Amino acid sequence: GAVVSQHPSRVICKSGTSVKIECRSLDFQATTMFWYRQFPKKSLMLMATSNEGSKATYEQGVEKDKFLINHASLTLSTLTVTSAHPEDSSFYICSATQEFLYEQYFGPGTRLTVT
Amino acid sequence: GIQVEQSPPDLILQEGANSTLRCNFSDSVNNLQWFHQNPWGQLINLFYIPSGTKQNGRLSATTVATERYSLLYISSSQTTDSGVYFCAGDPSNTGKLIFGQGTTLQVKP
Repeated sequence: GAVVSQHPSRVICKSGTSVKIECRSLDFQATTMFWYRQFPKKSLMLMATSNEGSKATYEQGVEKDKFLINHASLTLSTLTVTSAHPEDSSFYICSATQEFLYEQYFGPGTRLTVT
Repeated sequence: GIQVEQSPPDLILQEGANSTLRCNFSDSVNNLQWFHQNPWGQLINLFYIPSGTKQNGRLSATTVATERYSLLYISSSQTTDSGVYFCAGDPSNTGKLIFGQGTTLQVKP
């Protein structure tokens, strides 16, 4: 099946710094990538949709200036959490789909802790 | 917005038992998927099942799109089946998945 990787798997940063998370589709071209956030013992919440070469679209309530998304190629999307604060601590998961196919494949997630 | 309700929220089984997990949608959805989230957080694709029935080993799933529900069957459960099972659907046919709250399954040896 399709494989999606994320890097780093976990990161600890200090309040006020920025953190970049990479999401890669390893064996297919991902026309669309999605970014989700998951709190402990909770479900996944969609943050934004990322299409290669165009601006990301954000879900209601998600600050686009805080969560910068770049989809520079058909295999790479990045999420940058800017000026991170402890409330940004969470599990961030990306997913990817191939063109004309709607089944989503998920990365292993990145656990962000802001101290 | 659309509501996705999963039941039961928690389930404890003895190894070897069978179970049925249910997912109800408050409105029509496309691209319904079932996932298993392992203890490390990885979401594993179980089924892409917008309608009909599929089987994969001990697991099978049925989606009745006209009645807005889907079922996941686990037969002869094993301890490795433990984890959280999520269903998710796409109400706008844009790929944006809305997830249920999950069913936490514990299989005891």
